[in-house]
Amino acid sequence: EVQLVESGGGLVKPGGSLRLSCAASGFTFSSYSMNWVRQAPGKGLEWVSSISSSSSYIYYADSVKGRFTISRDNAKNSLYLQMNSLRAEDTAVYYCARGAAMDYYFDYWGQGTLVTVSS
Amino acid sequence: EIVMTQSPATLSVSPGERATLSCRASQSVSSNLAWYQQKPGQAPRLLIYGASTRATGIPARFSGSGSGTEFTLTISSLQSEDFAVYYCQQYNNWPRCTFGQGTKLEIK
Repeated sequence: EVQLVESGGGLVKPGGSLRLSCAASGFTFSSYSMNWVRQAPGKGLEWVSSISSSSSYIYYADSVKGRFTISRDNAKNSLYLQMNSLRAEDTAVYYCARGAAMDYYFDYWGQGTLVTVSS
Repeated sequence: EIVMTQSPATLSVSPGERATLSCRASQSVSSNLAWYQQKPGQAPRLLIYGASTRATGIPARFSGSGSGTEFTLTISSLQSEDFAVYYCQQYNNWPRCTFGQGTKLEIK
C-alpha cells in the first residue's frame, strides 16, 4: 500500500524558515517523481514544486521560486521542502504527492501538514 | 498560464441522481486532464486521468469525457460518499500544471 506521511508543519513568523518532510513507503520511491501541492485555508489546490526521480529535474511555481527548495533522499525514501523567507500567503496545508509513472498528474497524496505564517 | 474554470461552483443533487460537473481550459490541454475528489479534512484522491481513464479502485459510476478545452465529470448515480469537492487539473503545460477552483457537490 502506497503511503505518504508529511511532517514538519507548524507556526512560524513572517520571514522565518521551516523544513517539511514526506516519508514514503509501499512503492519504489526512487522510480517516481515527487511533488508538493498546497491548499490555503478554504481555497483550492496550488502546485508548488516537483522533483524528478533522480533529482535531475526540479521545478517551482513562480510564487515560491527563490524561497523554497525541494530535495529528496532516495536512500531514505524521503522528500523535503525547505521553505525560507516565509510570508503570510504561504499559510496552507502542504501535501506531498506522487507523480504518476511517465505522466504528470498526481496518483497518491499524503494527508498534509499545516504551515501557518503569522506574527 | 492555463486557467481552468469549473462550473458550477456548487451543485445540489439528490442521492441516486446524476451529477454533471464541467471544467473548461483557457487553451487546449489535449487529453491531459485529471479529476480529483476531496472530502473535508482529507487529501485529494485521484479519480480520472487522461480525461477519461478511471484510476485504480474508482467505481464505474464515475466517468470523464472531453478533450481540448471542454471536459466533463459525470457521476451516474450519486451515493452518500460522493458528496465532496471536485477539482480538475491540467498537466499538458508541465511543469506549469494548474487546477480549477473546485465544484462543491452537496446533497439536495
